[in-house]
Amino acid sequence: DAEITQSPRHKITETGRQVTLACHQTWNHNNMFWYRQDLGHGLRLIHYSYGVQDTNKGEVSDGYSVSRSNTEDLPLTLESAASSQTSVYFCASSKLAGAYNEQFFGPGTRLTVL
Amino acid sequence: TQLLEQSPQFLSIQEGENLTVYCNSSSVFSSLQWYRQEPGEGPVLLVTVVTGGEVKKLKRLTFQFGDARKDSSLHITAAQPGDTGLYLCAGRRPVLYTGANSKLTFGKGITLSVRP
Repeated sequence: DAEITQSPRHKITETGRQVTLACHQTWNHNNMFWYRQDLGHGLRLIHYSYGVQDTNKGEVSDGYSVSRSNTEDLPLTLESAASSQTSVYFCASSKLAGAYNEQFFGPGTRLTVL
Repeated sequence: TQLLEQSPQFLSIQEGENLTVYCNSSSVFSSLQWYRQEPGEGPVLLVTVVTGGEVKKLKRLTFQFGDARKDSSLHITAAQPGDTGLYLCAGRRPVLYTGANSKLTFGKGITLSVRP
């Protein structure tokens, strides 16, 4: 069965360190998204990609970067982790545009920055 | 400013009760989706509504899209403990505003707890 996976599921790191969160999907979807979920803020879009070599900034992109070298993967990098980046991170993927387009979410990565 | 406002934020009810929750905006959406999220998992799509005034039923859940496509409601009949979770609405803005592959904007969610 097709799926979307994230790793690691839990990560503790220190302020200033570089961290990369992995996202891998086997749906062969063109669109991939990274969100963070925080109490009181809901899901906020960090970066998204509509295909290989395409990346775009979301509403909370400062301090984060992504790259898309193939269809299956969209790793999220925190260049220099800050305590404000402690959050639960979700990756999602979807097919091309359409009103009924469904986003399929991974299980999430809980990141703690000390 | 939150584009999609969901209310109430928290709701705790007894098994068997009925409830209605809301997703409101001052902006028009080409479609609205409702997702449910359980602890430790990612959101899962429940329904998509596209046409103003559209009503969709999913067993005991009834979803309605406002006539002006600015708001939506979710009604649950005879709630069960299995309905417990975080309910998120997400809207897709018209192509005019966001381009061909429009992104989803999520509300903050409604935390529902159904007590046995």
